[in-house]
This record gives sequence, C-alpha cells and structure tokens, in this order.
Amino acid sequence: DGGITQSPKYLFRKEGQNVTLSCEQNLNHDAMYWYRQDPGQGLRLIYYSQIVNDFQKGDIAEGYSVSREKKESFPLTVTSAQKNPTAFYLCASSTASGRADTQYFGPGTRLTVL
Amino acid sequence: EDKVVQSPLSLVVHEGDTVTLNCSYEVTNFRSLLWYKQEKKAPTFLFMLTSSGIEKKSGRLSSILDKKELFSILNITATQTGDSAVYLCAVEISSNTGKLIFGQGTTLQVKP
Repeated sequence: DGGITQSPKYLFRKEGQNVTLSCEQNLNHDAMYWYRQDPGQGLRLIYYSQIVNDFQKGDIAEGYSVSREKKESFPLTVTSAQKNPTAFYLCASSTASGRADTQYFGPGTRLTVL
Repeated sequence: EDKVVQSPLSLVVHEGDTVTLNCSYEVTNFRSLLWYKQEKKAPTFLFMLTSSGIEKKSGRLSSILDKKELFSILNITATQTGDSAVYLCAVEISSNTGKLIFGQGTTLQVKP
C-alpha cells in the first residue's frame, strides 16, 4: 500500500523536552512538507524539502528543526524553544515541485505538552 | 503579507440544503487555488483551480474561481450528513515549491 505514515498518532511531552515526529512516505515523492494546525485555524507551513539534503523554512519555523537524509523520510523535531507546541501536525508529500494538486497528506500526529 | 480568508467559519444546515463556502485571497504571486475536505485527520483534495470562470465539478460539489475579484466559491448541493467536515481553501504561491497558504477553514455540519 502506498502512502504516508506518521507516528506516533498521539504524543505527550513535558515542557522543556524536545520531541521528534516521524514522517515516512513510499510514494517516491520528491517534495515533503510539515504543517501545523491549531483549533479553528487552517494549516501553517513549518518546513518543506524539495530534494534530499535540502530544506527551507516555512512561515513558522522558529522552535522547529528538520532533516532530509533519505527521500522517504522527513522527521520534525519540536524543540523546547517552541513556546506553544500543542497542536496537530500534518506531514505531506508531492511529486515534482510546483504540483500542489499532488500534495498528499499523512494522518497526522497530535502533540500535547503537559 | 499573503493571506487567505474563508467565510463563514462555521455553518449548520439540514440534509438536502445547498451551501456555498467562500474563499478570498490576497497574495503576491498566485499560481492556483485548491479546496480540501478534512474529516478529523488528513485533508483530502477536492479541486484545483487556475483559470477564472471555469467551473470544476465532481458529483454534488462544484467550484469556481474569479481572479479579478480574488475569490473562489465551493458549492455543495443536496447536502448529506457525510458532507460534515472542515473545508479548507489554500492558495499556491510562487513557482516550483508547492508552497500553500491556507485559510482558517469552514466547519460544516449537516443535520439529518
């Protein structure tokens, strides 16, 4: 089955801890994205990567970091510098850059900071 | 600053009603406008619009774009309870990045 997997589905973390959210895709997509969604709001872009070993900041990158060592994987680390990390995190991937209609979303990780 | 605004933010209708969801945008480099349906988890793609005045249609859903007035509408006719979801509008900006600016979403509840 082709698709995007995100793990874990739910994540709880204590204030001051770093946490890494996993995103894996077997669609052979070049581009991958991380979004954050807060209640009553749309998605906001955190980071995106168009090719392995390269990534760019989105609109709300502060307090987050990413890596893209493999085409299939784009993990997101939420650091202690992120002031309000409780949110729903969505990972997406797409085929060649510039094809927004091919952007396919994973099931999401809900992060709660206690 | 690029922005996308959706209205209304929430809507409650009864089965069989027709609804119209609105999306307006102000962006520096418009490439396309997309509509998604989100039921609890991952958004699923509905339409992509690039040209003004050309209606896209899929079953009971249709959408149209007005690039002069900078807005789009999503129509759902003969609504069903399964249409209950958050509907997201997004604008793709610039070239070759797939970067999307999302609106806040419209929460639609369809009552039996």
